[in-house]
Amino acid sequence: DAGVTQSPTHLIKTRGQQVTLRCSPKSGHDTVSWYQQALGQGPQFIFQYYEEEERQRGNFPDRFSGHQFPNYSSELNVNALLLGDSALYLCASTYGTEAFFGQGTRLTVV
Amino acid sequence: KQEVTQIPAALSVPEGENLVLNCSFTDSAIYNLQWFRQDPGKGLTSLLLIQSSQREQTSGRLNASLDKSSGRSTLYIAASQPGDSATYLCASRSYNTDKLIFGTGTRLQVFP
Repeated sequence: DAGVTQSPTHLIKTRGQQVTLRCSPKSGHDTVSWYQQALGQGPQFIFQYYEEEERQRGNFPDRFSGHQFPNYSSELNVNALLLGDSALYLCASTYGTEAFFGQGTRLTVV
Repeated sequence: KQEVTQIPAALSVPEGENLVLNCSFTDSAIYNLQWFRQDPGKGLTSLLLIQSSQREQTSGRLNASLDKSSGRSTLYIAASQPGDSATYLCASRSYNTDKLIFGTGTRLQVFP
């Protein structure tokens, strides 16, 4: 079992650009959540996808959007990047009670 | 608004010490609480998960307890080792959601 995999590992973007991050959940897991972790902080919930629909959303602007595919993999899109979007973006998959996280994508906005 | 607080923010101990990390949560309808380890710049590794119906869980040198009435959980690490150096995060989850509410973590350093 490959666990939760995320790509890319690192990314550098310019302010105003758009970015897409990808996540493949743990085998058999149908629910994917995205989190943003700023330096020195705990992860903050962005949104969650289940059966290709956004099921729950945290306190993030509409610049943050997502998608889930029939194979349960997911994308996180961020438009009009701001310097403050620089963070570690974590994907988690759950099936039942326990959440499993990927290694994250480090996004740097310059 | 649900909140999770972790104390202390940082801890430095000599190898071999037993230590306790604290986590407080405000969710009165907690479904479970999960402890994670995070190495610098890396993702989260799940250590222990305690369901609301449980009082504690153990895995090797780790033991986590849950007290719903006081809104507290503790992670006990026995005989600490330099390899235990990392940030430890706790997260609460309510019923009918997969959303986790995280604390800001305890940064642990174990020196030889």
